[in-house]
Amino acid sequence: QVHLLQSGPELKRPGSSVRVSCKFSGGTFNTFAFSWVRQAPGQGLEWMGGIIPILGPANYAQKFQGGVTITTDESTNTAYLELSNLKSEDTAMYYCAVVDGGYGAEDHWGQGTLVTVSS
Amino acid sequence: DIQMTQSPPSLSASVGDTVTITCRASQSISSYVNWYQQKPGKAPKLLISGTSGLQSGVPSTFSGSGSGTDFTLTITSLQPEDFATYFCQQSYGTPITFGQGTRLEIK
Repeated sequence: QVHLLQSGPELKRPGSSVRVSCKFSGGTFNTFAFSWVRQAPGQGLEWMGGIIPILGPANYAQKFQGGVTITTDESTNTAYLELSNLKSEDTAMYYCAVVDGGYGAEDHWGQGTLVTVSS
Repeated sequence: DIQMTQSPPSLSASVGDTVTITCRASQSISSYVNWYQQKPGKAPKLLISGTSGLQSGVPSTFSGSGSGTDFTLTITSLQPEDFATYFCQQSYGTPITFGQGTRLEIK
């Protein structure tokens, strides 16, 4: 059974960077499609970007291009989301998710990582 | 980008009622609509994939239908645990996009 375990909450200063991790287990890591989804407080879900390790570079939503980097480490079965030049508006819950079935649906989700940006 | 317009934004219903949530895509997306349920403080949970594919363990009181641009999620015989927020999602093309969500509340 696929399981995703994300890193713990982060408190960051404006202008700094943060890296959130998503440890995968229960399958062949490099064949799954990983996505990162943002949810600001009280708001909806936003797809930030995704990656299939075996295929290479990540694909980003235009809104997040430039400030977000998605990578994977096959040696540790971990996906990463790095956010740079943080602003208060980046305060949100960040979820990793994977597609394990058809139609590109996100079958499995991590528990979420709260990133708080505050001076 | 493909826009997903979800309605209503909120819905008040009673235990035992039947409710319908709709999503309209800004272009045809075949059957590439998925529905998620989210409870406070929890990650979203996939309910239905590919318009009507009920996920394992999801009660049969949930159903999905539609094609092209118009899709619906129907919940019959509402149970207390069904009161949550629901999101549609299109996975036809990137960027993947979500509807704005429907908050289902107890009347």
